[in-house]
Amino acid sequence: GNSVTQMEGPVTLSEEAFLTINCTYTATGYPSLFWYVQYPGEGLQLLLKATKADDKGSNKGFEATYRKETTSFHLEKGSVQVSDSAVYFCALGGGNQFYFGTGTSLTVIP
Amino acid sequence: GAGVSQTPSNKVTEKGKYVELRCDPISGHTALYWYRQSLGQGPEFLIYFQGTGAADDSGLPNDRFFAVRPEGSVSTLKIQRTERGDSAVYLCASSSEPGLATGEQYFGPGTRLTVT
Repeated sequence: GNSVTQMEGPVTLSEEAFLTINCTYTATGYPSLFWYVQYPGEGLQLLLKATKADDKGSNKGFEATYRKETTSFHLEKGSVQVSDSAVYFCALGGGNQFYFGTGTSLTVIP
Repeated sequence: GAGVSQTPSNKVTEKGKYVELRCDPISGHTALYWYRQSLGQGPEFLIYFQGTGAADDSGLPNDRFFAVRPEGSVSTLKIQRTERGDSAVYLCASSSEPGLATGEQYFGPGTRLTVT
């Protein structure tokens, strides 16, 4: 079946540090992959997505590359800001369903 | 340009009672999803509507849970004989892209259900 395994948090970084949040998946067929973000007090919103192998999704300085060979979709950002503090969810779209990871809480300190 | 709205934002009910949770999707979005999110977990798929029909209800945990979308817009999630284990945040999302799960979903703020 389909599932997503996400790096556990919480993660605390200093401003301008490099961020990686690991995500691996198990899927049948050819799923689409997503990162969603939930800022404090707000609803889930799409951060970026990739719909096929080797695609790179990017937004707001964040990037993730769909790696079929390693079944991964790791989220990266070169220099985090305090405003990036949020919970990040990796997700997989397969069939009619979306499968979410457990979320990784990121706190960026000045 | 309203987003997805959900009512109520909070619901406290006693064990054994019946509850209804409402979702108003973005106008024109044909796809609608319900999820349940327990503390410290990611959203768990419950049901997917395409138009008025439930295209996939395989995530509903048991027959106490039921959802409708009679006119292809507003949806109601209904839980009978609530149990303490049903306590969670119930999320609704809509999408303009039907069919395979490739499109962006727009999430509502959720309804926090507490069963005492």
